[in-house]
Amino acid sequence: DIVMTQSPLSLPVIPGEPASISCRSSQSLLDSNGHNFLDWYLQKPGQSPQLLIFLGSTRAPGVPARFSGSGSGTDFTLQISRVEAEDVGIYYCMQAFQTRYTFGQGTKLEIK
Amino acid sequence: EVQLVESGGGLVKPGGSLRLSCAASGFDFTTYTMNWVRQAPGKGLEWVSSVTPSRDIFYADSVKGRFTISRDNSKSSLYLHTSSLRAEDTAVYYCTRGPPLDSWGQGTLVTVSS
Repeated sequence: DIVMTQSPLSLPVIPGEPASISCRSSQSLLDSNGHNFLDWYLQKPGQSPQLLIFLGSTRAPGVPARFSGSGSGTDFTLQISRVEAEDVGIYYCMQAFQTRYTFGQGTKLEIK
Repeated sequence: EVQLVESGGGLVKPGGSLRLSCAASGFDFTTYTMNWVRQAPGKGLEWVSSVTPSRDIFYADSVKGRFTISRDNSKSSLYLHTSSLRAEDTAVYYCTRGPPLDSWGQGTLVTVSS
């Protein structure tokens, strides 16, 4: 199975400041068509996870523009340009390159 | 509006069985891969099983041979039959559509304890 490794695992951020989460996979998630099968999810406190970014860099409908995804192959990044209070929660990356999907450990974003 | 509603969770003794159900609405169920993802208390997300529109089936090693996923397209429903349950199967089980997993149910809690 593909192993997904996130860092940091804890991320305290001041509102209005940027934030960045790294996700690395044990093998490439890039297919022959140039698609990176890497998604980002946010689980807000007490809620089910929600899709933020798919195919490495495409925002899901309704996701604010302050969220962006980048990277290719085995190294990916989720960036929040200016963190808001409503962004608190646990962020997970997930590979969908193989049907035996695997998630990162999760990064807990909290407001300082 | 896409809706996924899980049911069937509860308290079960080690070695016992439960059948989880997921009622889907608001989309063409027949054209989507459907999945179960679980989350143990205070832990991260773990993919459990998937079934494609053509009924190709995949399981995590941790549940293979004990869990069975199925779908009933006539009822727009997804199922997970769990057996030989262990304490480590205790988790909230989410029904999801995808990938990408763009819709999630509210989850159903399975507690395995004597």
